Amino acid sequence: AQSVTQPDIHITVSEGASLELRCNYSYGATPYLFWYVQSPGQGLQLLLKYFSGDTLVQGIKGFEAEFKRSQSSFNLRKPSVHWSDAAEYFCAVGARNNNDMRFGAGTRLTVKP
Amino acid sequence: DSGVTQTPKHLITATGQRVTLRCSPRSGDLSVYWYQQSLDQGLQFLIQYYNGEERAKGNILERFSAQQFPDLHSELNLSSLELGDSALYFCASSVGTGAGQPQHFGDGTRLSIL
Repeated sequence: AQSVTQPDIHITVSEGASLELRCNYSYGATPYLFWYVQSPGQGLQLLLKYFSGDTLVQGIKGFEAEFKRSQSSFNLRKPSVHWSDAAEYFCAVGARNNNDMRFGAGTRLTVKP
Repeated sequence: DSGVTQTPKHLITATGQRVTLRCSPRSGDLSVYWYQQSLDQGLQFLIQYYNGEERAKGNILERFSAQQFPDLHSELNLSSLELGDSALYFCASSVGTGAGQPQHFGDGTRLSIL
């Protein structure tokens, strides 16, 4: 079965600084890859997804992620973080041959003024 | 607003009791997923229904059960509740089935067991 690891439990960045959240997956083939964001007291919202094709995918709120097959990674990036980006971010991997979706443990982002 | 509605938002009950959580999926979505989110276990997939039929099962305890009704709303039943069942329970929905479907999440039901 596929699995996903988010190595950073908590990251703090200053407002206006760039951001990269790491995600590594384990799967025997090319998986479906997702990033979700969870604001306090709310459910998860889809930021972006990768299915195939261009390995750099654009999402909502100015986020992008790059699929790197050689590194089994799907890191999330944003060039300039806003205070409203403070939230929990989840990477998820779906297997192409079943209905199984696995979520990482999440990375909590704090934005300093 | 994701379009997924979960009720109630909060539920407080005692050990040994039974509760039912309800989910109305986004209009047009046929799949419903249930997740449990706790501090120690993170976000755990419980079960998926597609158009009334069970499609996938995750880490769902035998004390828990779910169903999806003809109008596509779903209910998650939790019985013989234990302190460790305290968590946020999320429902998500998608148009179809398969792990490639982006899921739309409700705001969750916070269950507290006293």
